[in-house]
Amino acid sequence: SQQGEEDPQALSIQEGENATMNCSYKTSINNLQWYRQNSGRGLVHLILIRSNEREKHSGRLRVTLDTSKKSSSLLITASRAADTASYFCATESNDYKLSFGAGTTVTVRA
Amino acid sequence: DSGVTQTPKHLITATGQRVTLRCSPRSGDLSVYWYQQSLDQGLQFLIHYYNGEERAKGNILERFSAQQFPDLHSELNLSSLELGDSALYFCASSVGSDNEQFFGPGTRLTVL
Repeated sequence: SQQGEEDPQALSIQEGENATMNCSYKTSINNLQWYRQNSGRGLVHLILIRSNEREKHSGRLRVTLDTSKKSSSLLITASRAADTASYFCATESNDYKLSFGAGTTVTVRA
Repeated sequence: DSGVTQTPKHLITATGQRVTLRCSPRSGDLSVYWYQQSLDQGLQFLIHYYNGEERAKGNILERFSAQQFPDLHSELNLSSLELGDSALYFCASSVGSDNEQFFGPGTRLTVL
């Protein structure tokens, strides 16, 4: 079973626009991670945010975490065609298991 | 390139057979994780090893087993294969147990 659920399932935006996707989870976590996957390839780690952190930035990426609402968001600013991929949130709980959501498919149109 | 290597890249086999997937973690990483990704189940955590010992078990079938060797490489053994075992199998590694994971390119298993 999957702990995290991403919303929306799919997103199509114009190059230069911002993309926002959300992740909700059910149980308490140690950290929450966001990964990107290009079609059929391995996952690439984007950002890890710990349960005592509220916001984190990495380049054009901004992640927020609200543990009271059990939710996180990933914002990609000034999107590029190369950002076209599937984005997954993953939650790591106390038992060292990483649970992935179903992912958000992002398409950036040129 | 994540630094994690997996072999083979592709594997085609028949139902009932047994296969072994191999993973070499990044240099210095002590943790190895195995995941299965299929269209209907998504990305599922299978098992986590830390420095040779099993740390956590996920949705791993009894027909599947894994181990991590003293040189820290890991193998995932899949036996009595069924059609539904066809999937991408990813290995990932990390320094410890509470860190970002680096994924290998995966092994695509097709069971005919």
